[in-house]
Amino acid sequence: GENVEQHPSTLSVQEGDSAVIKCTYSDSASNYFPWYKQELGKRPQLIIDIRSNVGEKKDQRIAVTLNKTAKHFSLHITETQPEDSAVYFCAASSSNSGGSNYKLTFGKGTLLTVNP
Amino acid sequence: DVKVTQSSRYLVKRTGEKVFLECVQDMDHENMFWYRQDPGLGLRLIYFSYDVKMKEKGDIPEGYSVSREKKERFSLILESASTNQTSMYLCASNIKSLDTQYFGPGTRLTVL
Repeated sequence: GENVEQHPSTLSVQEGDSAVIKCTYSDSASNYFPWYKQELGKRPQLIIDIRSNVGEKKDQRIAVTLNKTAKHFSLHITETQPEDSAVYFCAASSSNSGGSNYKLTFGKGTLLTVNP
Repeated sequence: DVKVTQSSRYLVKRTGEKVFLECVQDMDHENMFWYRQDPGLGLRLIYFSYDVKMKEKGDIPEGYSVSREKKERFSLILESASTNQTSMYLCASNIKSLDTQYFGPGTRLTVL
């Protein structure tokens, strides 16, 4: 099955700096890569996703890059703010045996702390 | 507005008890998922369902079963709770595969 590795497990940055979180996946058939943010005591929420037909996607201060050849994808947050402090999870899709329904395999998460 | 609800925020049960966790979504979503979240292990998929009465095993189905009798409701069952099932349980749903999953608030289950 799919295996997703996420690094680093913790990341501390100063406000205004950039933060980068990296993930690798094992299943070359994976074609959907979302990123979820979970604030303390809250539920995970999607912040950005990318599909295998593009190499990069941006949404204001957040961007995701995908390298299908190397099977890795990264989350980039620029001009970090204290409210960016949270746990971030990457995920990769994989299909069931019939190839018609998809599940997500999540990385173990990165605790990002933005210091004022 | 998207809404996924779970029957309890906190639950305390005894070893050997049968435990039911319920999840309801009001968005007419096709797919529903049960995850458990443990520190340092991320979100691990227990079971998912892509249609009423249909279910598929996730990555850690042992010790769990599920039921989906109605489209909006997906239940997770612990047949005989054990202490290693103490965890945060999160339900999620999406309208179709490879689309945003919307999570419920979670149920923190403690098995004594």
